[in-house]
Formats: sequence, C-alpha cells, structure tokens
Amino acid sequence: GAGVSQSPRYKVTKRGQDVALRCDPISGHVSLYWYRQALGQGPEFLTYFNYEAQQDKSGLPNDRFSAERPEGSISTLTIQRTEQRDSAMYRCASSLGADTQYFGPGTRLTVL
Amino acid sequence: SQQGEEDPQALSIQEGENATMNCSYKTSINNLQWYRQNSGRGLVHLILIRSNEREKHSGRLRVTLDTSKKSSSLLITASRAADTASYFCAPSTSGTYKYIFGTGTRLKVLA
Repeated sequence: GAGVSQSPRYKVTKRGQDVALRCDPISGHVSLYWYRQALGQGPEFLTYFNYEAQQDKSGLPNDRFSAERPEGSISTLTIQRTEQRDSAMYRCASSLGADTQYFGPGTRLTVL
Repeated sequence: SQQGEEDPQALSIQEGENATMNCSYKTSINNLQWYRQNSGRGLVHLILIRSNEREKHSGRLRVTLDTSKKSSSLLITASRAADTASYFCAPSTSGTYKYIFGTGTRLKVLA
C-alpha cells in the first residue's frame, strides 16, 4: 500500500477484555515499531521488529502486552485483560532499517 | 534512555517570524528525526539528519546537529499560521533502530 495502515481506527472495549491491534507496514519495510501516545505527550516507545525478530520490547508496560510479526510484514499488538489505564492512541511506524520512520494513523483505544 | 528533550516546551510567535526549537539527548546516536503533529492527529516526518551530517534543509525548514554538544535544532523560517503544531525530535541510539521521542515543543503562530 501507499502508507502504513492500522486497524481498527477506533476500539472501545470493556475492562478485562483482550484486544488485538493490527499494523500493516509499507511494503518492503524491514523495521516496524509500536508506540503509545497519551494526550499532550510524545509517542512512548513500546517495541520494535526487524523482519520477524522482535529486537527490543523494553517499552512494553507489563506482561499483558505482547506483539508479534510472524512473517516479517503485518504485526499485531495484543493487550490482555485490558485496564482503563491502557486507554491511549496506539501508533505503528515502519522504516527501511535506520531510515525515515513513517507513521500510520493510529488506533484510538478506549477501555471502559 | 535516549530521550530527546525539546526546548522550549511552548513557543508563541507572530506570522512571518522565525521559530527555533532545540533538542538535547544523552548518548551517541545513529541519526535524529524531527516530526510535526497537529492537534493530536498524525505524525508527519519532517527531516532525518544522520550523525555524520551537520545541517539539512527542506523548504523553510533547517535542521542542525552538533554531536559534540549532543543537540539539534529545528528552524522554521517565515512561519505561517499553518505551522501551528507540536514538534518532536526522536534520536536513535547508536547501534539500534530504536527511537525515543521527547515531550515536544508546542508552537503557536499567530496570524
């Protein structure tokens, strides 16, 4: 595709439910990144992949958060047993390695 | 962590004036990116500057990098109301592709 796409764009869920957020990077981009952004703040690093390998997951807040990129393309960020504090904009970006990162439109997650 | 710290946190100028934002970081970097974000919307990439570069230009934007001082600056010349946005720097730690964003500079350009 022309850019990074994310789905769903909006997700409302009840506390305790699991959610899966999807990111489809720009075709051919080796690196894929997940960020979380609260209102008025900069994007907070969560994790990133080179191809299918998760290179760094130091930003994942706790073990309820996990991410995968099994075929080195599409990635899924999963949050288990969601809590209200998980409400935020989740952003995905991709790049050709150590090069410009292009961001997707984000998924707005609201946990009731 | 390799967080970019922007300064000032907020800046208000008149249309036509120049705006300068600064970014400082702590350790060696591969490169540093600048982004713009309008009112919590999408992040738009502005410029990437590599550690072996000192200055880059793109239209009305000029970015400088001083690795000895571990700092970068973004200059917007002849600002317009449409430049009103938050601006973020994101340095990447040397040896990784990991970028850490700061809290940004909120620029307001008054018409």
